[in-house]
Amino acid sequence: AQTVTQSQPEMSVQEAETVTLSCTYDTSESDYYLFWYKQPPSRQMILVIRQEAYKQQNATENRFSVNFQKAAKSFSLKISDSQLGDAAMYFCAYRSRVGAQKLVFGQGTRLTINP
Amino acid sequence: EADIYQTPRYLVIGTGKKITLECSQTMGHDKMYWYQQDPGMELHLIHYSYGVNSTEKGDLSSESTVSRIRTEHFPLTLESARPSHTSQYLCASSETGDTNTEAFFGQGTRLTVV
Repeated sequence: AQTVTQSQPEMSVQEAETVTLSCTYDTSESDYYLFWYKQPPSRQMILVIRQEAYKQQNATENRFSVNFQKAAKSFSLKISDSQLGDAAMYFCAYRSRVGAQKLVFGQGTRLTINP
Repeated sequence: EADIYQTPRYLVIGTGKKITLECSQTMGHDKMYWYQQDPGMELHLIHYSYGVNSTEKGDLSSESTVSRIRTEHFPLTLESARPSHTSQYLCASSETGDTNTEAFFGQGTRLTVV
């Protein structure tokens, strides 16, 4: 079974600075998707960014980018120019491309933005 | 916002009561999921469905049951609530296939069993 590990329960960053959230995963599959989701306090979980494992190029979405290292099974999220609205729980997630396609989450990282 | 809805948002209920948490989506997604989110915020998959009349248990054992009689509806039932069932329950849905891999989440139901 696939597992996702986020080793940073909490992170904090000064507003306008850059922060990197770590994620590692374990799988025997070669084709899959990786995601970062954001869960603001008392609000819905929303997708931040996604990466297809067959693509070597790292995904970017405005201030959010990933560092995808397939051989190392590492998938970190970089947030540039941090804003107060970025404060949330961030979850790394894995989904197979075939079969059950269950979405498996890491433990989450609580990100605090200091003004 | 995503077109997936959970009701109720908050529920406080006594031990032994039967409860049903509702989840509906209007996006026509085949796949639907129930996650249990503990106080430490970790998400555990407890049920998922590929489509109508298709349900399977997730990675975390749960005393709850689900049904999928209609594509848009995926209710979760606890026959006899216990304090150990106190948690937040999140419903999600996604398309089948590779075109749109994103899962959409409801706002959650926070259940407290007293």
